[in-house]
Amino acid sequence: AQSVTQLDSQVPVFEEAPVELRCNYSSSVSVYLFWYVQYPNQGLQLLLKYLSGSTLVKGINGFEAEFNKSQTSFHLRKPSVHISDTAEYFCAVIAASGGYNKLIFGAGTRLAVHP
Amino acid sequence: DVKVTQSSRYLVKRTGEKVFLECVQDMDHENMFWYRQDPGLGLRLIYFSYDVKMKEKGDIPEGYSVSREKKERFSLILESASTNQTSMYLCASSSASDTEAFFGQGTRLTVV
Repeated sequence: AQSVTQLDSQVPVFEEAPVELRCNYSSSVSVYLFWYVQYPNQGLQLLLKYLSGSTLVKGINGFEAEFNKSQTSFHLRKPSVHISDTAEYFCAVIAASGGYNKLIFGAGTRLAVHP
Repeated sequence: DVKVTQSSRYLVKRTGEKVFLECVQDMDHENMFWYRQDPGLGLRLIYFSYDVKMKEKGDIPEGYSVSREKKERFSLILESASTNQTSMYLCASSSASDTEAFFGQGTRLTVV
């Protein structure tokens, strides 16, 4: 069965510092990977996705992620964070189930950016 | 822009009540999903639907049912609400030809 592990439940960081949010996945077949962001009191919004091709994926708001097949990782990075990046971030993978695809999410990482 | 609308942002219900959570999407998406979100557990899939009148169980279907009578509407039903169903409920939709899911704002349900 496919699953996602987010290694950090909370990541505190100072404004303008770099950040990396870690995600590992398990999958036996084709891998489609996603990062979603949830700002306070809102639904989820897609940051970026990897379907195929280049292993470095660029998303919105200056975020990027690198697909590493040998390490089964898809870590999210930003070189310089802003206060407005404070949110919860979810890594997700598509899992096949009975001929259909469904999104499986990690437990989430709460990013807190401090001035 | 795709819009997924959940009928309520906040709901308070009593134990044993029948509760309906409604979700409507306006982009003619084939796929619709209901998740619940709890701290430290992320999003867990309750039910999903790939077509009108079709439903599939997710990872935690117990205590829930769903209805999809029209393509744009997917309802989550709690037959007899219990306190352990207090949670944030998120609806999502996606096209059959795409991988991206679009989410509603969520409904925070409190069962007392």
